[in-house]
Amino acid sequence: DAGVTQSPTHLIKTRGQQVTLRCSPKSGHDTVSWYQQALGQGPQFIFQYYEEEERQRGNFPDRFSGHQFPNYSSELNVNALLLGDSALYLCASSYGGAGDTQYFGPGTRLTVL
Amino acid sequence: EDQVTQSPEALRLQEGESSSLNCSYTVSGLRGLFWYRQDPGKGPEFLFTLYSAGEEKEKERLKATLTKKESFLHITAPKPEDSATYLCAVSPGGDSWGKLQFGAGTQVVVTP
Repeated sequence: DAGVTQSPTHLIKTRGQQVTLRCSPKSGHDTVSWYQQALGQGPQFIFQYYEEEERQRGNFPDRFSGHQFPNYSSELNVNALLLGDSALYLCASSYGGAGDTQYFGPGTRLTVL
Repeated sequence: EDQVTQSPEALRLQEGESSSLNCSYTVSGLRGLFWYRQDPGKGPEFLFTLYSAGEEKEKERLKATLTKKESFLHITAPKPEDSATYLCAVSPGGDSWGKLQFGAGTQVVVTP
């Protein structure tokens, strides 16, 4: 049973560029949440997608946007990258829209130079 | 405002030396409290979900308990492979369910 997968593993971008990160949920899951984790801190909630719609959003600017596809996979897009966007980006999946137990992927390490 | 505080920030244990990690929280209508283990540079690995005060869950050397204001993760006779950062998170009730609020974590190092 495949767990949550994310791509790419690592990414290096420069300020002002745009980036797209991808996530495939655990088999049988239909809800995807995205988190940003800075070094030495706990993950911070960005947003959650269920039934192809953004159901919840954290305190992140509009530069952060996302999408969920009919197969439940998801993308996170970040525009106009800032140095402070450098972090580990985590995708988590869960079942049923209730967002109870969330299972995390390995993350994408984004470095902005 | 929902808040999760974990203590201590770091813990160094000798192999076999049992200890407890604390997670105190304030949240509007707790839907669930979650414990995760995270190794450096990797995603959090799910350990336990607790839903109501008095609930306890166990897995190998780990035991999680929940009260109305805090949760404890007890590590019994730890081994070096238990070294990791342990994260606590809460899911609020109402319209914010699913929006996990994490603590900063407790970094545990177990030496042989």
